[in-house]
Amino acid sequence: GQQLNQSPQSMFIQEGEDVSMNCTSSSIFNTWLWYKQDPGEGPVLLIALYKAGELTSNGRLTAQFGITRKDSFLNISASIPSDVGIYFCAGQLYGSSNTGKLIFGQGTTLQVKP
Amino acid sequence: GAVVSQHPSWVICKSGTSVKIECRSLDFQATTMFWYRQFPKQSLMLMATSNEGSKATYEQGVEKDKFLINHASLTLSTLTVTSAHPEDSSFYICSARDSRDFRQYFGPGTRLTVL
Repeated sequence: GQQLNQSPQSMFIQEGEDVSMNCTSSSIFNTWLWYKQDPGEGPVLLIALYKAGELTSNGRLTAQFGITRKDSFLNISASIPSDVGIYFCAGQLYGSSNTGKLIFGQGTTLQVKP
Repeated sequence: GAVVSQHPSWVICKSGTSVKIECRSLDFQATTMFWYRQFPKQSLMLMATSNEGSKATYEQGVEKDKFLINHASLTLSTLTVTSAHPEDSSFYICSARDSRDFRQYFGPGTRLTVL
């Protein structure tokens, strides 16, 4: 099925470093979302973006909705050990044939070395 | 905040048996819920959209007779894996869409292991 291209696939960084990951799609989305998933748990919403060009922050996290509505990035500043996990982007569609279902990227596995 | 629960959190069953997984929105109403499946080290793949009071909409390649979905109330959707086989072993995650603001909230997931 339809899928987003998320990169990088994995990152291993030093505590305190900044992190950047992004997602691209051949399709336009109405909403972009970023989730974090810890092992054995469901995804937790980090940031939601609703307008093209929107730049939104949540603490040390910053995400942007691309102008073309086909891409988004997530930045994490000054990483800490608890940032470890898998980060997923997701695009959401609304329309006559879409009920707001989410299409997920492949995920970025983040490891932080203390 | 909005909370979604799943029950059971994990289940082990014999091949050929059926397993029911519940998804509940605890403090909001959800006319729409979604069921995902996640294999190890992979992303979440949408299986079906569950609509309160009507039939579920299944994604291409998902067998509706094998994965039965019932959304009988505004706070509960169930997924029944019928005649489970080892290849059905996976992490099943539901999400519920708040009817007020259309935000989706995810459950904690159910780990199914079929022997």
